Amino acid sequence: DSGVTQTPKHLITATGQRVTLRCSPRSGDLSVYWYQQSLDQGLQFLIQYYNGEERAKGNILERFSAQQFPDLHSELNLSSLELGDSALYFCASSVGSAGGYEQYFGPGTRLTVT
Amino acid sequence: AQKVTQAQTEISVVEKEDVTLDCVYETRDTTYYLFWYKQPPSGELVFLIRRNSFDEQNEISGRYSWNFQKSTSSFNFTITASQVVDSAVYFCALSPSTSGTYKYIFGTGTRLKVLA
Repeated sequence: DSGVTQTPKHLITATGQRVTLRCSPRSGDLSVYWYQQSLDQGLQFLIQYYNGEERAKGNILERFSAQQFPDLHSELNLSSLELGDSALYFCASSVGSAGGYEQYFGPGTRLTVT
Repeated sequence: AQKVTQAQTEISVVEKEDVTLDCVYETRDTTYYLFWYKQPPSGELVFLIRRNSFDEQNEISGRYSWNFQKSTSSFNFTITASQVVDSAVYFCALSPSTSGTYKYIFGTGTRLKVLA
């Protein structure tokens, strides 16, 4: 158990809808990262927050947004969902913000868009 | 371009065989980090090792060893005397630094099957 929690574990929704994925980092970690893992795209880095501020951005679509709250939990909002958004979404956390910190991954949220 | 290539999509070995997973990376940054992660069938990625671009020392941890060679831009991972529990997808990742901002680029992963 990495100490990173993600809810929900599974989510099934229809195209055009909006969903929110939630992540709580390990105790003491200030950075939260979001990743998307799909069969055709592999593991894609979406975005990183450190202590409430956006720190790095990857291949995150404009329909997606994230934030980190004062208690350090983070939410990833996915809107106007398309079939291609079906994937496993991972959250990870680390102590620091720079690139050298090891990341601890949560169990993931499996999103299915029908 | 910044990229991580894991050319081996899937490898099958028999238990107790040694196996090497290849990782080749591309970056123009002089400061960067390399990682290996394991994703067992349960799905959660597990950190194995990190290396910074200034440290080319090889590392050994039990049955695991890593060979970092800047000259060939490679960071290969060897499992000695493989076991069934080593069956998983292994990802190599690069975290290059551009103006102090790091991004995270993962390879496509190598699925390792260790047969009893």
